[in-house]
Order: sequence, then C-alpha cells, then structure tokens
Amino acid sequence: EAGVAQSPRYKIIEKRQSVAFWCNPISGHATLYWYQQILGQGPKLLIQFQNNGVVDDSQLPKDRFSAERLKGVDSTLKIQPAKLEDSAVYLCASSFRRTLSTDTQYFGPGTRLTVL
Amino acid sequence: GNSVTQMEGPVTLSEEAFLTINCTYTATGYPSLFWYVQYPGEGLQLLLKATKADDKGSNKGFEATYRKETTSFHLEKGSVQVSDSAVYFCALSESYGGSQGNLIFGKGTKLSVKP
Repeated sequence: EAGVAQSPRYKIIEKRQSVAFWCNPISGHATLYWYQQILGQGPKLLIQFQNNGVVDDSQLPKDRFSAERLKGVDSTLKIQPAKLEDSAVYLCASSFRRTLSTDTQYFGPGTRLTVL
Repeated sequence: GNSVTQMEGPVTLSEEAFLTINCTYTATGYPSLFWYVQYPGEGLQLLLKATKADDKGSNKGFEATYRKETTSFHLEKGSVQVSDSAVYFCALSESYGGSQGNLIFGKGTKLSVKP
C-alpha cells in the first residue's frame, strides 16, 4: 500500500514570495490533515478536511495561508506572502475515518520550507 | 485547552539500558493517546496507541499504559538498541466536537543510544 506522498521535499524562498505544497493521501482515506512543525517542536495542526470539506481550520492563519482539497483526494496548501516565521516542515497526514478519535493518522515525509 | 507535556531531551543511553520517556496530558473528554516516532531522515510513524483508560499499547518492545488517574502515558522499553535512536512524540487525539480526531503533540524527546 502506497503511503502519503508530498512534494516538493524541500523549498527555499524569499520572504513575501508565495509557495505551494502538494499532498496525495493514502487511497480511500477520507480525512486529510496539514500540520506545521517548527524546529524543536511537535507538529501543530493547521487544517483538517473530511472528503473535500473543511472540518477545522481554526488554527490556520487565513490572512496568508489557504488550503483546498478538490474532489476529496489530493490537497494543496499555499502560503502567500511568506514570512520568516513560516520556516518549518509542513506535514500532511491522512486517516481512514474522522468520526473516531481512535483512528491512526499516517504521515507523509513532509516539505521543509526555508524562508530567507 | 488540551495539551501534552513530555520530558525534555536529549536522552542518551547505552545499548541494553532501560528507557522511560514521561508523558502527561491535560484533556477534557476521553482522548486517545499515541506515541509517534521519527527516525533520522524519515517521516512520523505510529509506534503505539491506547484508546481508553488502563489500555496498554505495545510494539517493537515498547510499551505505554493509559493512566487516567495520573493523566499519564509514559513510554518504556526494557532494553534499547542503537536502532531505537530517534525522536519520540507523545500525542493525544481530541475526542469530541469540531476538533475530533485532531492530534495535539508534545515537543518531542530525542533519544540517542550508544553501542
């Protein structure tokens, strides 16, 4: 079974530029999550989708971050414009269901973003 | 709000030593508890989980018991190997409301095992 795929793996941009990350979850997984992991910290949730609908985006900085999950499969996360403090690893995860907190989330390898 | 606190690292042990990484949590409702591991150069992967009080999760020689009375989920292994060197994250999964399923992570504990 293929895992969660993410691209690119690394990205370096200048502040005020825009950037986009792509995620392809495990086939059949209804729920998709984006997390931000700043160096030395644990991942922090940005947004949760179930199928193609947003379930929770309360921690997404909506003035600069946006995300979509068209057709309930792939997802993109965009930052525009980027700030220095956005330097982090962006993790995508998926799980089969959402309705139970017991479900295991499967993580992709992440995209390491450096903002100069 | 809900939160997870785990012991600060780094932790350095000799091969075959006993490992304990402490994790405590604050939560409303009945969260599920997880340990995730991140090996060098790899993504996060589930190590073990427990979904209700007194459950014990186990995998690859690691164990953790969901203790509701002490709000703890400490990770233990009787004899560590060099290959266990990694960063370990304790996490809880919100159990109700709009945040159901969202993971809240601790800051991570880096373990280095010397031969």
